[in-house]
Formats: sequence, C-alpha cells, structure tokens
Amino acid sequence: GAGVSQTPSNKVTEKGKYVELRCDPISGHTALYWYRQSLGQGPEFLIYFQGTGAADDSGLPNDRFFAVRPEGSVSTLKIQRTERGDSAVYLCASSPRRVVSTGELFFGEGSRLTVL
Amino acid sequence: AQSVTQLDSHVSVSEGTPVLLRCNYSSSYSPSLFWYVQHPNKGLQLLLKYTSAATLVKGINGFEAEFKKSETSFHLTKPSAHMSDAAEYFCVVTHTGTASKLTFGTGTRLQVTL
Repeated sequence: GAGVSQTPSNKVTEKGKYVELRCDPISGHTALYWYRQSLGQGPEFLIYFQGTGAADDSGLPNDRFFAVRPEGSVSTLKIQRTERGDSAVYLCASSPRRVVSTGELFFGEGSRLTVL
Repeated sequence: AQSVTQLDSHVSVSEGTPVLLRCNYSSSYSPSLFWYVQHPNKGLQLLLKYTSAATLVKGINGFEAEFKKSETSFHLTKPSAHMSDAAEYFCVVTHTGTASKLTFGTGTRLQVTL
C-alpha cells in the first residue's frame, strides 16, 4: 500500500489478556517507530527500530510491553497482562532515514486499544 | 531534556481570519522543531519543520512558523483560516542528541467557524 498500515484499527479486550498490534510500514522505510496517544495528550514515544533491531526502547513503560521487527519491515507491538491504563491509540510511523535529519515521520491511522 | 508547551488547548477562529497557535520549547541543545497536523480519522502529517536554517519556515496549506530563540518560541500562523484547517495541531521538538525521538506537545484543537 501507499501508506503505513496498522491492524486492527480497533481492539477491545479484557484486563489481563494478551494483545498484539501490527504495523506495516511504507515499503523501503528502514526506520519504524511506535508511539502511544492517550486521550487529550500528544503522542508519546515507545520504541524505535532501525532495520531489525530496536535502537531505542526507552519509552516502553514496563516489561509487559515488547515489540519486534524480525525481517526489517512489519512490526508487532505485544502487550501482556493488559491493564485499563493501557487503553490508548497506538501509533506506528516509518521513515526512510533517521528522523532528526528530516523530522518527517509517516504515521498510520493508529490502533485504538480499549481494555475493559 | 527537551519538551514543548502548547499554550492553548483549544483555539476558535472565524473563516478568513488569522490563525495563531502558540508553542514554547525547552531543549538543552540546538533544537529541531516541527508542527504536525492530525485531521479526524487521519494519520498525523508533517506541516512544516525548522532545522537551523531560515528562522521563518513555510509549510503546506499556507501555514508558516517563526523560530525565536530569544523567546524559545515556535508559533504557527496562517493569514486566513479555511474550514478545512479544523484539526488538532502538535508542536514537536527533537535534537541531534535524541535522534530517535520526536517529543510532542499536548496539542491544540483548532476550530474554524463560518
């Protein structure tokens, strides 16, 4: 596709369940980012991949959160033992280069997670 | 540490009147600053960027912003608002020391009325 694709667009789950959110970046983009946007807030950085490796995971809130990008394209954000406070829109973005040189990230429309 | 403060959570203007969305930044290093726009049910889109070249930056859809180091500000302006400008606007900062991170403000919702 032409843009960043995220699935599912909406996910409702129960407290304690395991969730996976998928991101398909723009073809050829080596950099991939996950952000989380809570209601009324700006996006908060979670993790950054350059290729297959997580170059910076300092934004992951705790060890219940994990992300992978095994082949350097599609990425999956995994949340274990979900809590109500995890409810948010999870945004994925990609870039052909390190973001500091361009500032431009191409964002998907997000996956809205609701934990009941 | 780096951060941005968007001074207004909500701004309402009439169509055809000027737009001013305010942003102040804090950065230990020379910052790069950006404005992103988020239309309902759409992904975030880069509006414009400042990366230490010209202090007056022009973006898409007639928006511009001026980097003022003395005031640590990067306000977004447009001479004449259009109904299609109604959206959420985010001021964003990064610098070379944190190459992986864009730090977003809390956003300003722009409402445009007839």
